[in-house]
Order: sequence, then structure tokens, then C-alpha cells
Amino acid sequence: GQQVMQIPQYQHVQEGEDFTTYCNSSTTLSNIQWYKQRPGGHPVFLIQLVKSGEVKKQKRLTFQFGEAKKNSSLHITATQTTDVGTYFCAGPRGSGNTGKLIFGQGTTLQVKP
Amino acid sequence: DAGVTQSPTHLIKTRGQQVTLRCSPKSGHDTVSWYQQALGQGPQFIFQYYEEEERQRGNFPDRFSGHQFPNYSSELNVNALLLGDSALYLCASSLAGGTYGYTFGSGTRLTVV
Repeated sequence: GQQVMQIPQYQHVQEGEDFTTYCNSSTTLSNIQWYKQRPGGHPVFLIQLVKSGEVKKQKRLTFQFGEAKKNSSLHITATQTTDVGTYFCAGPRGSGNTGKLIFGQGTTLQVKP
Repeated sequence: DAGVTQSPTHLIKTRGQQVTLRCSPKSGHDTVSWYQQALGQGPQFIFQYYEEEERQRGNFPDRFSGHQFPNYSSELNVNALLLGDSALYLCASSLAGGTYGYTFGSGTRLTVV
């Protein structure tokens, strides 16, 4: 079945260092969504990418969607302690944009002050 | 503008019992999806409701059932609870199709003993 994989599973960085998490789907995605979950919290929607090769920025966060629409990445520049949490990518099952979201297993980011 | 509200926040049940979890979607949203999140894992899709009907279903047994009411609120019912049902149950609301990402509630932490 359709799978979404993320690497790395864990990442420990020193505050101020950069961080990148990668997301790969076994099938082409109509869109990719990114969520952040703080420890003990719930997933919070960050962004959605739709177009092949799309790049979007939110302050220190840069999101990319691959040309083949099967992979994506999230890059954080100069991490801060507020960036701590688990970052999930998720894509819709099938070719449509409705219903079931398939989540990756997440990348947990720890930032040492 | 109220976000997604879930109740209760925590619940302890005994094996074999039944449980009902409740969700009120974000104002303006008409679609409700339910996810199960085990510790250290990404959310797993249970099912989605739109116009009071189950629109899509994930790989969960028939012990998991749901309902959506005319005001778009929703319930998740789990019968014959197993120890393995212990997890965080998340409700996510969206506009039809989830085109703009999902808004998650804080979840219900279910512990089966």
C-alpha cells in the first residue's frame, strides 16, 4: 500500500544550527502537508505544497516539493529552542485531495540551548 | 473563532468495555476525520465523516464506528476495548476535501487496562 517515510527519525542539534527532515512517498502525491507536534501536544498544520518543484518559506522554515511530487523536505535555519517537537509530513491517499491523510512517522527535533 | 474541541481529555477503561469520544469541529468546517496516534508514531487514519456519512475508512476493525450530527460534530465509538487500543485519539476538521489542511483537536488520551 501507499507509504510515506521520513528521515531521520531523531535529530539533536545545538541551538543556532540548521536542521533538515526529508519525506518520501511510494506514490505520486497531489499535495504534501507538514505538521508540527510539540511534546504532549497535537499536530498543528504548517503548510501545504501543491505544485511540482514548489518552494515556500515561513520565516526560518523552508519547504520544498520535489519535481516528481514524491518527495519533500523541511529545512529550518538557525534553530531555536522553540523549534523543538516532531515534524510530520502527510499526503492524501490516492490521486484526489479528499479524505485519508497518510502520515510519515515523523522526525523529532531536540535543540540544545 | 473556536478551534476543534474534544472530550474527554483523558479516559481510563477496562478491557472489553465500550467508549465514546466526542469532537466539535472548528467553526465553518464541515468534515471531521478521526486518527489514532500510538506513542512515538504518526497519526493513523480511522475514518472521515462528511454530510453525516462515513466517506472513507482506514484499516481499523468494525469495533471502531462513528457518527456525524447535523451540526457537524462527531463521535467515535470503540467496542470491546483491547489493551492495544490505548492511544491518543485525534479529531481533525476541515472544509470538504481538506484542501487547506486539517485543524486538529488536543485529543483524547485513552488508556485501556
